[in-house]
Amino acid sequence: NAGVMQNPRHLVRRRGQEARLRCSPMKGHSHVYWYRQLPEEGLKFMVYLQKENIIDESGMPKERFSAEFPKEGPSILRIQQVVRGDSAAYFCASSPPGPRKTGELFFGEGSRLTVL
Amino acid sequence: GENVEQHPSTLSVQEGDSAVIKCTYSDSASNYFPWYKQELGKRPQLIIDIRSNVGEKKDQRIAVTLNKTAKHFSLHITETQPEDSAVYFCAVIQGGSEKLVFGKGTKLTVNP
Repeated sequence: NAGVMQNPRHLVRRRGQEARLRCSPMKGHSHVYWYRQLPEEGLKFMVYLQKENIIDESGMPKERFSAEFPKEGPSILRIQQVVRGDSAAYFCASSPPGPRKTGELFFGEGSRLTVL
Repeated sequence: GENVEQHPSTLSVQEGDSAVIKCTYSDSASNYFPWYKQELGKRPQLIIDIRSNVGEKKDQRIAVTLNKTAKHFSLHITETQPEDSAVYFCAVIQGGSEKLVFGKGTKLTVNP
């Protein structure tokens, strides 16, 4: 049973380019969460999605950031016109559909974005 | 929203000693309290969790205690080993939502 798969593991972009980060949840999981981790800091919630639905995007910056989880394929976190401050590790986590142990998350290995 | 405070930010102990990390939270409706361990460059991994209907849970050298009245919970690691060195994060499920709110982490160093 493969875990949460994220790619790319490392991504380098120049300022103004776009970054696309992909996440495939664990088999059987239909809930996906994206978290951002700045160097030496904790994990900040960004967005929570179920298939074809954004449930909670209260942690997403209002501009340049978007997320989707289509019916088929991985969840994608998209950052347009990247700036240096976007450099961080972006972690995806998944959880199984309910009824379930609320809150139990399984994390991927993360995608490390570096903006030059 | 939920506010989670974690202390200390760094902790250094000698091998064999105990380590205690404490977190406080603000939302009295919170009912799930996990602890994650993150090694350098790796993903956070769940090591233990507790729900609001119990006050303590133990798993070998790791234990978590919860005081719902005071709104704090603690991670206890006994007989520490060098491989326990990592950053530890507490988290709280925000009441009425599905999202985990994390503390800022504690960097634990176990000196051989």
